[in-house]
Amino acid sequence: QKEVEQDPGPLSVPEGAIVSLNCTYSNSAFQYFMWYRQYSRKGPELLMYTYSSGNKEDGRFTAQVDKSSKYISLFIRDSQPSDSATYLCAMNVNQGGKLIFGQGTELSVKP
Amino acid sequence: NAGVTQTPKFQVLKTGQSMTLQCAQDMNHEYMSWYRQDPGMGLRLIHYSVGAGITDQGEVPNGYNVSRSTTEDFPLRLLSAAPSQTSVYFCASSTLGLGNPYEQYFGPGTRLTVT
Repeated sequence: QKEVEQDPGPLSVPEGAIVSLNCTYSNSAFQYFMWYRQYSRKGPELLMYTYSSGNKEDGRFTAQVDKSSKYISLFIRDSQPSDSATYLCAMNVNQGGKLIFGQGTELSVKP
Repeated sequence: NAGVTQTPKFQVLKTGQSMTLQCAQDMNHEYMSWYRQDPGMGLRLIHYSVGAGITDQGEVPNGYNVSRSTTEDFPLRLLSAAPSQTSVYFCASSTLGLGNPYEQYFGPGTRLTVT
């Protein structure tokens, strides 16, 4: 079993929809949780990060961490075609350094 | 700043050939790493380094070697290419001190095909 599990999709939604992306993990030592966005044929870029449990909001994006359930989520409100990309969750034990990635979820937002 | 650069962008190898994928960063980052990305598998860590002269294995190190003689460069060597090494390879770097230690900066990737 992988340390981090993520549904690869693909996920297709109409423009304006609320999108929910999720990851589960098995290592209770993970403390830092990140979401990366990867456009086609590009390298991933950091979208959001959170430390420990709780919520973090940045514009249309909200990241949630539930350490008791070992479950993290990324919500996208008012989704746009420009949000079409692969979203990868990532996490690590210590500040900085080695990240463990999920498989990535491919999202398509249709106009 | 150029950020993280990778060469070549594309490469085709025959089984058994060796080659080196180049990676360089100009952000003075201590941490550098190599990942491979395959469909449905996400990013898997091959090797990583926390500074010049220090390297360690990641999740899938077999068939690959690395060295880190300078802060800027972190080449990945394929010793004897196999079709199973057909993949997209990404190099990434991050700070371990000041700045955002959670953010890894990725290069544009090298698409490798082994026939």
